[in-house]
Amino acid sequence: GAGVSQSPSNKVTEKGKDVELRCDPISGHTALYWYRQSLGQGLEFLIYFQGNSAPDKSGLPSDRFSAERTGGSVSTLTIQRTQQEDSAVYLCASSSSGLPEQYFGPGTRLTVT
Amino acid sequence: GEDVEQSLFLSVREGDSSVINCTYTDSSSTYLYWYKQEPGAGLQLLTYIFSNMDMKQDQRLTVLLNKKDKHLSLRIADTQTGDSAIYFCAGNSGYALNFGKGTSLLVTP
Repeated sequence: GAGVSQSPSNKVTEKGKDVELRCDPISGHTALYWYRQSLGQGLEFLIYFQGNSAPDKSGLPSDRFSAERTGGSVSTLTIQRTQQEDSAVYLCASSSSGLPEQYFGPGTRLTVT
Repeated sequence: GEDVEQSLFLSVREGDSSVINCTYTDSSSTYLYWYKQEPGAGLQLLTYIFSNMDMKQDQRLTVLLNKKDKHLSLRIADTQTGDSAIYFCAGNSGYALNFGKGTSLLVTP
């Protein structure tokens, strides 16, 4: 079946602008994760959604970052007032409830100029 | 937070076996994973092992886990040029994954 999809694949934005990144998980997967991959920091966990429970936002680096998941499916990661250090690849993953496998999407490469 | 350490680079000849090593500090990890990333692509889950297992084999891939030493390895038999990629090991901390910095595997003809 279809894997995790993310859009856009690439996003170039000016410093100070807001951006929205979208993730469409594998159908039926109740858990959704956002990670960030950057040269300096490697792969970092950002946020976790499980069903209708309150998300775990413990990995978000600042209050400029937020995410929502509507209807238990699609998720949007929003970065407000982007900074150059936000430049990275943002990866989304999903998993089925109770199972350990996390399946990743292709990522969105964000460049802040 | 948890530290996951990997060597940065490995070069092997086509047809040889590759062994990629990883050490981790969080003994509470229930699962340990190997992911593969090709240029410009996302992470592909290769395999994972439950922490109470010593070994898992899946076709050309063999995972060895030494829980006492917190050491994980991935052996790729009969390595092919298509195996050239970056390999990440990860352990779970609850539901989040903690990744190493990745090992870049280069397979030469």
